[in-house]
Amino acid sequence: EAGVAQSPRYKIIEKRQSVAFWCNPISGHATLYWYQQILGQGPKLLIQFQNNGVVDDSQLPKDRFSAERLKGVDSTLKIQPAKLEDSAVYLCASSFSETQYFGPGTRLLVL
Amino acid sequence: DAKTTQPNSMESNEEEPVHLPCNHSTISGTDYIHWYRQLPSQGPEYVIHGLTSNVNNRMASLAIAEDRKSSTLILHRATLRDAAVYYCILSYDYKLSFGAGTTVTVRA
Repeated sequence: EAGVAQSPRYKIIEKRQSVAFWCNPISGHATLYWYQQILGQGPKLLIQFQNNGVVDDSQLPKDRFSAERLKGVDSTLKIQPAKLEDSAVYLCASSFSETQYFGPGTRLLVL
Repeated sequence: DAKTTQPNSMESNEEEPVHLPCNHSTISGTDYIHWYRQLPSQGPEYVIHGLTSNVNNRMASLAIAEDRKSSTLILHRATLRDAAVYYCILSYDYKLSFGAGTTVTVRA
């Protein structure tokens, strides 16, 4: 069974630039999550989708972050404009029950 | 969010058991206890979860206290590949709220 795919794996940008991350969940998983993991901390949930609808985006900084999940499958997370403090690993996860399956993450460095 | 408390770090010798404690005194009746681990440069990986009874799978065992205010993850024979950060999480509404976890080091 293929796992959660994410791209790119690494991204370096300058502050105030924009960036987008892509996630392809495990086939058949209706729920998709985006997490932000700052170095030395545990992952923090940014947004949760159920099919193509948002269930929880209470911790998403909506002035600069946006996410969509068209057709209830793939998802993109965008940051515009990026700040230095956005440097982190962005993890995507999917699930069909209690267990979440994580992708390898995208490591973002904002200079 | 219900919180968990874990030691920052633990060390173990290869092929010996590892007992990882977790306190969750404010757990509610519907919270599941989940354990995930994160190997270096990888995303978190599911280990085990339970509600009230002890649970076993091929990776580990989960022992849950009778009052559910604490639990212990047991790795029966640690290997070098078990070196990771282990997170104890109380799950509600299919959401995971990660803390800092316990960094496990395995000595050869």
